[in-house]
Amino acid sequence: AQSVTQPDARVTVSEGASLQLRCKYSYSGTPYLFWYVQYQRQGLQLLLKYYSGDPVVQGVNGFEAEFSKSDSSFHLRKASVHWSDSAVYFCAASMCGGYKVVFGSGTRLLVSP
Amino acid sequence: AQTIHQWPVAEIKAVGSPLSLGCTIKGKSSPNLYWYWQATGGTLQQLFYSITVGQVESVVQLNLSASRPKDDQFILSTEKLLLSHSGFYLCAWRGTGRNSGNTLYFGEGSRLIVV
Repeated sequence: AQSVTQPDARVTVSEGASLQLRCKYSYSGTPYLFWYVQYQRQGLQLLLKYYSGDPVVQGVNGFEAEFSKSDSSFHLRKASVHWSDSAVYFCAASMCGGYKVVFGSGTRLLVSP
Repeated sequence: AQTIHQWPVAEIKAVGSPLSLGCTIKGKSSPNLYWYWQATGGTLQQLFYSITVGQVESVVQLNLSASRPKDDQFILSTEKLLLSHSGFYLCAWRGTGRNSGNTLYFGEGSRLIVV
């Protein structure tokens, strides 16, 4: 079955430190992959997406993600986090032409001063 | 530019009462529309999707129904609310084609508390 796994429910990092949020997918082919961010009591905002090409994709606000076919992963990274990055981050996947978009369970990021 | 608006922003409703949540998208013709439910602190569960007026596909019903009465409108409803319906409801439209990469674009959400 198609699934997206985010193994870390909560991550705490200090402001200015680097960040990696993990995402693993289980699909028969290579799906579209997404990272979204959800700030308190708001809808989801797209950070970045990947389908093909360069495995490292750049997103908004200094975020980037790296696709690995061998590892079935799509980890999100940021070189230096800011307190305003505190939010819940969701990884998602869908197959080209499919109507189902599957989300991971989310990772709550807390940036401490 | 496309905009998506959800209403109401929040509701407190009694168990057994009816519910109607709405979603309108502007600036996009014949959009693919989605309803998601999010329990407090939880992941997103896809409920319904619609690719055209009058056509709605159910993914997980949760004793809810959906309708698409107009090209730009998607309605989520139930005649009798359960406590388990509490949560955050998100409407989204989906881009198509390689450029948009099948991306979902979300509204601001509707928060529902059932008491």
